[in-house]
Amino acid sequence: KAGVTQTPRYLIKTRGQQVTLSCSPISGHRSVSWYQQTPGQGLQFLFEYFSETQRNKGNFPGRFSGRQFSNSRSEMNVSTLELGDSALYLCASSPGTGEFYNEQFFGPGTRLTVL
Amino acid sequence: AQSVAQPEDQVNVAEGNPLTVKCTYSVSGNPYLFWYVQYPNRGLQFLLKYITGDNLVKGSYGFEAEFNKSQTSFHLKKPSALVSDSALYFCAVRGLTGGGNKLTFGTGTQLKVEL
Repeated sequence: KAGVTQTPRYLIKTRGQQVTLSCSPISGHRSVSWYQQTPGQGLQFLFEYFSETQRNKGNFPGRFSGRQFSNSRSEMNVSTLELGDSALYLCASSPGTGEFYNEQFFGPGTRLTVL
Repeated sequence: AQSVAQPEDQVNVAEGNPLTVKCTYSVSGNPYLFWYVQYPNRGLQFLLKYITGDNLVKGSYGFEAEFNKSQTSFHLKKPSALVSDSALYFCAVRGLTGGGNKLTFGTGTQLKVEL
């Protein structure tokens, strides 16, 4: 099976712009989670989608949003970009949500740089 | 709230020697514990997990981890380190109830294996 894919891999934006990142989960996986990784804050949970519904949300401002499509692909959007949004954004997929036996599989990430 | 502590920012070990990367956790109820590894400019790669059962968990690439409930620890170990094991290692915890697939990560430990 193909792994989790994320597009684009690298992105440069300027402050105030908005950005959309895409994630395609492993075939058959219905849960997609997003994480932000920065040197200062480490890995932080953004949100999780399962069957097109947001299941859980981390402590991020409303500028960060996401959605999931019927084919389980997910997008996350960041509006009004700030310098502090520069980070590696990681997507992870899992067959289901909350089951104790399932681990998450991560994509390679999208490196976002805000100038 | 759940949390993970990785007390060492960096661990240095000589090739061929055993290695240990420490992790302690805090969570309500029984924990689901994970170790992931990250190579430069890559996403997270799953190594192993503890769900229930034997306290010694075996994972990929010769890694294993020992779950200790009384000490709330889940240390990662390998009997004989390789230079290729040099990478950033993350311990993560997921609680039993609620929270879906949300993982809480430690701050990471940089492992450096030298010849």
